[in-house]
Amino acid sequence: DSGVTQTPKHLITATGQRVTLRCSPRSGDLSVYWYQQSLDQGLQFLIQYYNGEERAKGNILERFSAQQFPDLHSELNLSSLELGDSALYFCASSASAGGGGTDTQYFGPGTRLTVL
Amino acid sequence: AQSVAQPEDQVNVAEGNPLTVKCTYSVSGNPYLFWYVQYPNRGLQFLLKYITGDNLVKGSYGFEAEFNKSQTSFHLKKPSALVSDSALYFCAVRDPLGGYQKVTFGTGTKLQVIP
Repeated sequence: DSGVTQTPKHLITATGQRVTLRCSPRSGDLSVYWYQQSLDQGLQFLIQYYNGEERAKGNILERFSAQQFPDLHSELNLSSLELGDSALYFCASSASAGGGGTDTQYFGPGTRLTVL
Repeated sequence: AQSVAQPEDQVNVAEGNPLTVKCTYSVSGNPYLFWYVQYPNRGLQFLLKYITGDNLVKGSYGFEAEFNKSQTSFHLKKPSALVSDSALYFCAVRDPLGGYQKVTFGTGTKLQVIP
């Protein structure tokens, strides 16, 4: 158990809808990362937050957004969902922000999103 | 831009035999390199990392990896494979000059240990 929790475990929704995925980092970790894992794209970095502020952006679509709250949990919002958004969404956390970059990221169990 | 390649989609090895899962990378400076393992329906678990120092890094579950700067490789190894090692393995690289924590993952290698 990595100490990172994600809810829900599974989510089934329809095209055009909006969903929110939630992540709680390990105790003491200030950074949260979101990744998308799909069969055709592999594991893609979406976005990173550190202590409430956006720190780095990867291949995140404009229909997707995220935030990190004062208690350090994070939410990933996916809107106007398309069939191709079906994937596993992972959250990871690490202790610090960046620059040094030696932190290990610890991954949650993921949320499996199915868009019908 | 940083990149990482795992040239083998799948590696099959007999139980008890040594295993190697290959990884090569490309970064502008000295890399930070990581190996993660993913069991079915689970998140990624950290195995080991290379930041600096000894080129041979030892990690969890008896795994080790060797950093080879001239060949830009970071192959994962284990002297004696177990059936329970069967999983998906990801190599990842971070460019320390990038100034942030973006990590680039390889496409993954499925390891199948045959009893």
